[in-house]
Amino acid sequence: NAGVTQTPKFQVLKTGQSMTLQCAQDMNHEYMSWYRQDPGMGLRLIHYSVGAGITDQGEVPNGYNVSRSTTEDFPLRLLSAAPSQTSVYFCASSGTGSPDTQYFGPGTRLTVL
Amino acid sequence: GENVEQHPSTLSVQEGDSAVIKCTYSDSASNYFPWYKQELGKRPQLIIDIRSNVGEKKDQRIAVTLNKTAKHFSLHITETQPEDSAVYFCAARFGNEKLTFGTGTRLTIIP
Repeated sequence: NAGVTQTPKFQVLKTGQSMTLQCAQDMNHEYMSWYRQDPGMGLRLIHYSVGAGITDQGEVPNGYNVSRSTTEDFPLRLLSAAPSQTSVYFCASSGTGSPDTQYFGPGTRLTVL
Repeated sequence: GENVEQHPSTLSVQEGDSAVIKCTYSDSASNYFPWYKQELGKRPQLIIDIRSNVGEKKDQRIAVTLNKTAKHFSLHITETQPEDSAVYFCAARFGNEKLTFGTGTRLTIIP
């Protein structure tokens, strides 16, 4: 199993550009989530999903959209990037419908100029 | 929602000594408390967790204790080694809801 994979590893955007961060898992996990990590602020939940077709907002959802059309994939979309979205983004999944024992992806380092 | 506070933000200990990191949570109904270790440039990885029906759990050199009355839980690392240097995050979960993370502790082991 590849576990949780994320692409790209690094990305530089200009203010106002849009992009999609990809996340996939091959463990048939129901629960998937997106976090952003900023220095001194820990991991903050952006959006999460308890199963295909179901998504919900986390702590810091503004400026981000998600969808969950399959169990395996959970892409994160930035519609109009802002410098405040410069961060490291982690996708995570867990085997039940709840955030138990989460497995994290390798992360995407995003810089918005 | 749940609020998790973590202390200290940085911690330096001599190799071989013990390290203790403490977290407090706000929701008395929280029932799951994991600890994650994140090495520089790597992803967070679960190292130990505890549920609300247990007071202490050990795994070799690491242990976690939970005081439900005081709403705090702690990570204990004994006989510290250089490879223990990392950032450690605590988290708490209420029911089946989302995890709330602490802000992290940067642990440095001094050879």
